Amino acid sequence: QVQVQESGPGLVKPSETLSLTCSVSDYSISSDFCWGWIRQPPGKGLEWIGSVFHSGGPYYNPSLKSRVTISVDTSKNQFSLKLTSVTAADTAVYYCAREGCISYWFESWGQGTLVSVSS
Amino acid sequence: QSALTQPPSASGSPGQSVTISCTGTSSDVGGYNYVSWYQQHPGKAPKVMIYEVSKRPSGVPDRFSGSKSGNTASLTVSGLQAEDEADYYCTSYAGSNSLYVFGTGTKVTVL
Repeated sequence: QVQVQESGPGLVKPSETLSLTCSVSDYSISSDFCWGWIRQPPGKGLEWIGSVFHSGGPYYNPSLKSRVTISVDTSKNQFSLKLTSVTAADTAVYYCAREGCISYWFESWGQGTLVSVSS
Repeated sequence: QSALTQPPSASGSPGQSVTISCTGTSSDVGGYNYVSWYQQHPGKAPKVMIYEVSKRPSGVPDRFSGSKSGNTASLTVSGLQAEDEADYYCTSYAGSNSLYVFGTGTKVTVL
């Protein structure tokens, strides 16, 4: 099974940019890739952030679209998330995931990384 | 785009069955057969239990089953076991503009 692992700063200041990387193991990301980011504020539910598909995209949650960028680096077998102008409301556990390319599901999840937004 | 509606909680005794509903609209649950269900234990990452409404990934016990009728999808856990106590989330494909919408989540308690 494909392994994915998030990495990045655990603390970001308000108004700055949150940047996370997802490293992929046991799979070449340049294959039929379908990758996504999901987040979960403390004590709350899951929220889809965005996805990249080999066949198109990226696709973003409309509520975050103006602040989100997801990109793929095939040379490093990684994909990344950038979220600009963060506020305390962006404090959450951020998960990266391998998606089912044809049938839209989240097949493999990383363990998640907590990002806190605070000065 | 609104979250899919799930009951906040559900419970059952060991060996019993529990069914969780996930209600959306014709633009998501009712419009596509791309509903999936995730189990999340405290402090852990979600794990997929069902995809494409009723398909089980390899390794998921057949005690877990999914179905859909109209704008409502359901997850049934039969023969409840202590380790089934967790939060469960549904998600549905919602079209090319917004791709996915998640459910509000249901906490399942094994009495």
